[in-house]
Order: sequence, then structure tokens, then C-alpha cells
Amino acid sequence: EVQLLESGGDLVQPGGSLRLSCAASGFTFGSYAMSWVRQAPGKGLEWVSAISGSGGTTNYADSVKGRFSISRDNPKSTLYLQMNRLRVEDTAVYYCAKDPSPIVVVTAIGADWGQGTLVTVSS
Amino acid sequence: DIQMTQSPSSLSASVGDRVTITCRASQSIATYLNWYQQKPGKAPKLLIYAASSLQSGVPSRFSGSGSGTDLTLTISSLQPEDFATYYCQQNYISPYTFGQGTKLEIK
Repeated sequence: EVQLLESGGDLVQPGGSLRLSCAASGFTFGSYAMSWVRQAPGKGLEWVSAISGSGGTTNYADSVKGRFSISRDNPKSTLYLQMNRLRVEDTAVYYCAKDPSPIVVVTAIGADWGQGTLVTVSS
Repeated sequence: DIQMTQSPSSLSASVGDRVTITCRASQSIATYLNWYQQKPGKAPKLLIYAASSLQSGVPSRFSGSGSGTDLTLTISSLQPEDFATYYCQQNYISPYTFGQGTKLEIK
């Protein structure tokens, strides 16, 4: 059974940094592209970033480009999102999601999702 | 960036109704379109990928169609558990944008 468990969400001041983790189990982690998707309170879904299975390809939303960095540790089956220069508008539940098939390219289709971790940016 | 616009933004319907939600892309996305269902406090669930492929375990009353700029999600006969918010997402090109959502409520 696929399991994705996000952690690292917290209350942080504007301009601060935070690193989110997504611990994966139940599948061959390094064979699948992964994504981060966020949802601000009461709002819709926003795709944030994606990374290929090898880690060699990364993509970002314009709203986070240059501030956020996605990475992965395949031996540890863990996905990360390093968030720097945080803004109030980054406040959201952050979900990690797994691509549906073990292919080289990133599809950014969320076939399996974690339960999310809440990031609050406020002074 | 490709903008995704869903219509309607909200919809009231009854159990047994046939419902269609439309997603319009600001440029052609071929069939690189996915549909998700989200219930309050829960993670999204993938229903349809590649415009018309039913995700494993999803009831056959859900179907997707279309290509290019106008794509649709149809629920053939609404069940009580289908009342939720639905999102489309294009994965034609990064950034892989979502629509704003369609909230399906009980009439």
C-alpha cells in the first residue's frame, strides 16, 4: 500500500525558511516522479513543484520560483521542499503527490496523496 | 502559463442527476487533462487522467471527454458520496495549473 507522510509544517515569520519532508513507503520511490501541491485556507489547489525519479528534472510554479527548492533522497525514500523567503501568501496545507507510473518524465499527475502539512506564515 | 477555467464554479444537483463540469484551457492541451475530487479536510483523489482514462477503483459513472481547449467531466448518476469539489489540472506543460474548482452541492 502506498503511503505518503508529510511533516515539517509550522508557524514561521515572513522572510523565514522551512523544510518540508514527505516520507514514502509501499512503492519503489526512486522510480516515480513526485510533486508538491498546496491549498491555502478555503481556496483551491495550486501546483507548486515536481521532480523526476532521478532528481535530474525539476519544475516550479512562477509564484515560488527562486524561493523554493524541491529535492529527494531516494535511498531514504523521502521528498523535500525547502522554502525560503516565505511570504504570508505561502500559508497553506502542503501535499506531496506521487505520479501514477514509473516513467522517466514528470507527468505531475497526483495518483496518490499524503494527508498534508500546514505551513502558516505570519508575524 | 496556461490558465484553466472551470464552469460552473458551483452547482446544485440531486441524487440520480447527470452532471457535467467543463474545463477550458487558455491554449490547446491536447488530452493532458486530469480530474480530481476533494472532500472537506481530505486530500484530493484522482478520478480521470489523460482526459478520459478512469483511475483504478473509480466508479464507472465518472467519465471524461474532450481534447484541445474544452474538456468535460460527467457524472452519469449522482450518488450521495459524489457531493464534493472537483478540480481539473493540465499537465501539458509546466507550470501544471489547476482550475479554480467546482463545488457540487445537494439540491
